[in-house]
Amino acid sequence: QVQLVQSGAEVKKPGASVKVSCKASGYTFTDYYINWVRQAPGQGLEWMGRINPSSGATNFAQNFQGRVTMTRDTSITTAYMELNRLRSDDTAVYYCARLDYADPWFDPWGQGTLVTVSS
Amino acid sequence: QSALTQPASVSGSPGQSITISCTGTSSDVGGYNYVSWYQQHPGKAPKLMIYDVSYRPSGVSNRFSGSKSGNTASLTISGLQAEDEADYYCNSYTSSSTLVFGGGTKLTVL
Repeated sequence: QVQLVQSGAEVKKPGASVKVSCKASGYTFTDYYINWVRQAPGQGLEWMGRINPSSGATNFAQNFQGRVTMTRDTSITTAYMELNRLRSDDTAVYYCARLDYADPWFDPWGQGTLVTVSS
Repeated sequence: QSALTQPASVSGSPGQSITISCTGTSSDVGGYNYVSWYQQHPGKAPKLMIYDVSYRPSGVSNRFSGSKSGNTASLTISGLQAEDEADYYCNSYTSSSTLVFGGGTKLTVL
């Protein structure tokens, strides 16, 4: 079955970086975008950006431009999201989600990775 | 890109129908038939319920339906059940080739 499995929870200090992974299985990795969405505690969903695993091309939400990097390793069907210069308000659950190249809906989603930023 | 506007909360009794609205602009909701809806139970990942405004993925109950008029999309749940109590989010493609979510709506089944 199509599945996205993310790396485990992280605790980081302000100013540090975090890198979250998303391992895809059950489909051809290069046939779909991988998107990243975050959810702060008690808050709504926020789209961060996406990567085309075939070309490596990325597209980011304005709020994250210059602070986020998205990469992939096609040999192990894994996408990565790295967020730099962490602040306390970056504390959130980070989700990866698959998105069709031609039809922008998210399915499935990874299980989520809690990133806590605290001094 | 501003978040799409959803009511913070809606409620209904078992068996009733409710509708959740999602208002955007002509640059997102109104400009494309690319609105999707997600259900999220506490502590769980979101689940796709509706895509392309009104299409249901396989396995989603036909009690869930979607529509759009102008810059406002809507999710209707008929025959409310206790298990429908959750948060619901809309999402739209935008003219900037980005995606934007609504602020979310908490559905309470009374």
